[in-house]
Amino acid sequence: GESVGLHLPTLSVQEGDNSIINCAYSNSASDYFIWYKQESGKGPQFIIDIRSNMDKRQGQRVTVLLNKTVKHLSLQIAATQPGDSAVYFCAENRGGGGSNYKLTFGKGTLLTVNP
Amino acid sequence: AAGVIQSPRHLIKEKRETATLKCYPIPRHDTVYWYQQGPGQDPQFLISFYEKMQSDKGSIPDRFSAQQFSDYHSELNMSSLELGDSALYFCASSLEDRGETQYFGPGTRLLVL
Repeated sequence: GESVGLHLPTLSVQEGDNSIINCAYSNSASDYFIWYKQESGKGPQFIIDIRSNMDKRQGQRVTVLLNKTVKHLSLQIAATQPGDSAVYFCAENRGGGGSNYKLTFGKGTLLTVNP
Repeated sequence: AAGVIQSPRHLIKEKRETATLKCYPIPRHDTVYWYQQGPGQDPQFLISFYEKMQSDKGSIPDRFSAQQFSDYHSELNMSSLELGDSALYFCASSLEDRGETQYFGPGTRLLVL
């Protein structure tokens, strides 16, 4: 299954499938991007990040892809598990030094993993 | 590993009352950020502090103020509470030189009646 980002805030997949969550960002000056996972009633949990000088970064079962040309970010989760069920947010900031590191969050996508 | 600590975890107040939320950053982190998250919404940046000085300001109402202390913990003071202030309030911390990587606390759920 695939989310089309901001226009489809829910994604339902079967356990073991791969999940792709998309995010569009608007600020071309943003040079650092983060994916957070938020479970109900909990704080956002850091998953993976990527800088604008990269187009792909891999972690454990997760991959983030960055397309600066179209200002698009995606999170791929391999072999999705029930514990992956949560709301996923992309966030961006300009970074680049100084203390102006506020995060701008995109709209979340609710991922539901069916056993 | 130690995480960001927030207190209280839950708070119920009446309209026009005041509230104080506390945040204890991860040890050695010198920067704290406050975010507000309404029901079904994404977190919105309120304010941040680096080395006890305000470093950035977002959509924080004038009724709210915050500060960072010498031990780097921070407090968010909210006065003349309104029903619309009901939300989750998150604190995040980072090392200033790695400011992009913000680690979030569990949040304080504020309910204004």
